[in-house]
Amino acid sequence: AQSVTQLGSHVSVSEGALVLLRCNYSSSVPPYLFWYVQYPNQGLQLLLKYTTGATLVKGINGFEAEFKKSETSFHLTKPAAHMSDAAEYFCAAGRGGYQKVTFGIGTKLQVIP
Amino acid sequence: DGGITQSPKYLFRKEGQNVTLSCEQNLNHDAMYWYRQDPGQGLRLIYYSQIVNDFQKGDIAEGYSVSREKKESFPLTVTSAQKNPTAFYLCASSILATNEQFFGPGTRLTVL
Repeated sequence: AQSVTQLGSHVSVSEGALVLLRCNYSSSVPPYLFWYVQYPNQGLQLLLKYTTGATLVKGINGFEAEFKKSETSFHLTKPAAHMSDAAEYFCAAGRGGYQKVTFGIGTKLQVIP
Repeated sequence: DGGITQSPKYLFRKEGQNVTLSCEQNLNHDAMYWYRQDPGQGLRLIYYSQIVNDFQKGDIAEGYSVSREKKESFPLTVTSAQKNPTAFYLCASSILATNEQFFGPGTRLTVL
């Protein structure tokens, strides 16, 4: 069974500092990979996704992620944190078709003024 | 605008009562899902449906039931058999090609 691991359930960064949220997946076949953001009491919103092609994926709000097959990783980064980035972030993996999507446990990002 | 709607946003019920959460989508997606979210536990899959009139149990289906009579609708019933129903419930639909999921705004259920 596929699994998704997010290192760090809570991450704190200063405003303007680099944001790095880690995600590793376990799979012998590279899956489709997603990052979602969730603000309090709201649904999840897609930040970015990797399906095929370019391994560096750019998303909304200045976020990007790089698919590294050799490291089975899909870490999310943003050069400079903004207060509005404070939220919970979920990494997910799927295979397409009639397969379920596997979500990581989530990482809460705190941005310190 | 296309999207997923869930109603109501907040729901309060007495212990022992069944309650049905609504989920509607106009994205023309085949697959729909129900997740439960509790603090610190991420998203846990309750039920999913890939086609009308068919659905499968997810990881925590006990105490829940669903129906899929129309492509657009996937209501979830939380029965009195669910031991701890207070939680945030999220409905989603997806594109089968990549499983990219589109989420509704959620329903927060509180059982008193």
